Amino acid sequence: EAQVTQNPRYLITVTGKKLTVTCSQNMNHEYMSWYRQDPGLGLRQIYYSMNVEVTDKGDVPEGYKVSRKEKRNFPLILESPSPNQTSLYFCASSPRTGVSNQPQHFGDGTRLSIL
Amino acid sequence: TQLLEQSPQFLSIQEGENLTVYCNSSSVFSSLQWYRQEPGEGPVLLVTVVTGGEVKKLKRLTFQFGDARKDSSLHITAAQTGDTGLYLCAGGRNDYKLSFGAGTTVTVRA
Repeated sequence: EAQVTQNPRYLITVTGKKLTVTCSQNMNHEYMSWYRQDPGLGLRQIYYSMNVEVTDKGDVPEGYKVSRKEKRNFPLILESPSPNQTSLYFCASSPRTGVSNQPQHFGDGTRLSIL
Repeated sequence: TQLLEQSPQFLSIQEGENLTVYCNSSSVFSSLQWYRQEPGEGPVLLVTVVTGGEVKKLKRLTFQFGDARKDSSLHITAAQTGDTGLYLCAGGRNDYKLSFGAGTTVTVRA
């Protein structure tokens, strides 16, 4: 089954404790992206990757890091999480760069709570 | 500041009624996508419109892209309870980025 898989689905942690949210897609998609979803603000793009070893900042990259060492994986790293990073996070992929006219396939989300 | 403003924020209607959701911006977009999101899941693409003035129909859903490519609307005819969900519009700013609206929560009552 074609899918984008995120782990964990839920995480409660404390300020300053490094964490990684994994994202994996099995569709051989070139483009991958991370979003956060907050009430009243919709989805905001954190980082995106056009292909292996090619990443760039989205609209809200502060406090986050990403890597794209393999085509299928695109982990999101919070080196020193803070309470304002409490949010619902989504990973998405699309077949090719040229995202504006291609479907974004989303994972089911990761709910992070930073205390 | 949201690049895309969606209205209304919430919409509750009776089954069988019609509804329209709007997505407006002062910016021009290369394309406009509409997604529906259900609780506990990620958004799922409904449609992409790319040409100014374009109208697409998907069963009871009609999507329109404004002539100037700054706005879009989603119209649902004879809504059903299965149409309940969060509807999100997303504008393509270039080939690498999408900007999402805040969403419209639609509730269709039986």
